[in-house]
Amino acid sequence: IAGITQAPTSQILAAGRRMTLRCTQDMRHNAMYWYRQDLGLGLRLIHYSNTAGTTGKGEVPDGYSVSRANTDDFPLTLASAVPSQTSVYFCASSDSESRATKFFGPGTRLTVL
Amino acid sequence: AQSVTQPDIHITVSEGASLELRCNYSYGATPYLFWYVQSPGQGLQLLLKYFSGDTLVQGIKGFEAEFKRSQSSFNLRKPSVHWSDAAEYFCAVDLLSGGYNKLIFGAGTRLAVHP
Repeated sequence: IAGITQAPTSQILAAGRRMTLRCTQDMRHNAMYWYRQDLGLGLRLIHYSNTAGTTGKGEVPDGYSVSRANTDDFPLTLASAVPSQTSVYFCASSDSESRATKFFGPGTRLTVL
Repeated sequence: AQSVTQPDIHITVSEGASLELRCNYSYGATPYLFWYVQSPGQGLQLLLKYFSGDTLVQGIKGFEAEFKRSQSSFNLRKPSVHWSDAAEYFCAVDLLSGGYNKLIFGAGTRLAVHP
């Protein structure tokens, strides 16, 4: 592994189903983030984690939850998916130093029907 | 409220022509500024960043950007565009807000390159 990996690459999901998007990084970065990308809106932060064991809410956290059991993994869970959660989801990570550059994963395209 | 504006949703240029993508930000202090590029179906790749010092910064793939405090702008430029530059470009501002580094993105500019 080099950098950030995300799984699955894409997924079609029925509304009401539970879904977990996976994110793993091998750069030993302390901070990790989940963004969603929607046409005309750019990227918006869903949740973040400054270090293992801590998480926080971003701009659009409703309907999503995260956990950070270790440094490398930062899964994003949709407990009961709704069509408005159809989006492309990007995981990112950065060093803990202030204003460090964020590195992004390849994304997961999620469609909720 | 802090924001990033990219006025041009789509831009089309001919291969070999020069390029300028506009970015304006709204932020009280000196911002940390970034340009990212996203090729179709790919994640975001950092082109360049400005933290302090020389206001003209060089990036990868022949791109450069100039920070102009008086105009609250951070426009991206390239003197000669290649067909492989066709992609979507995002300007972003990094803010320290609420205990985390909040990266605010513009809506993006989609670049098409004609042969």
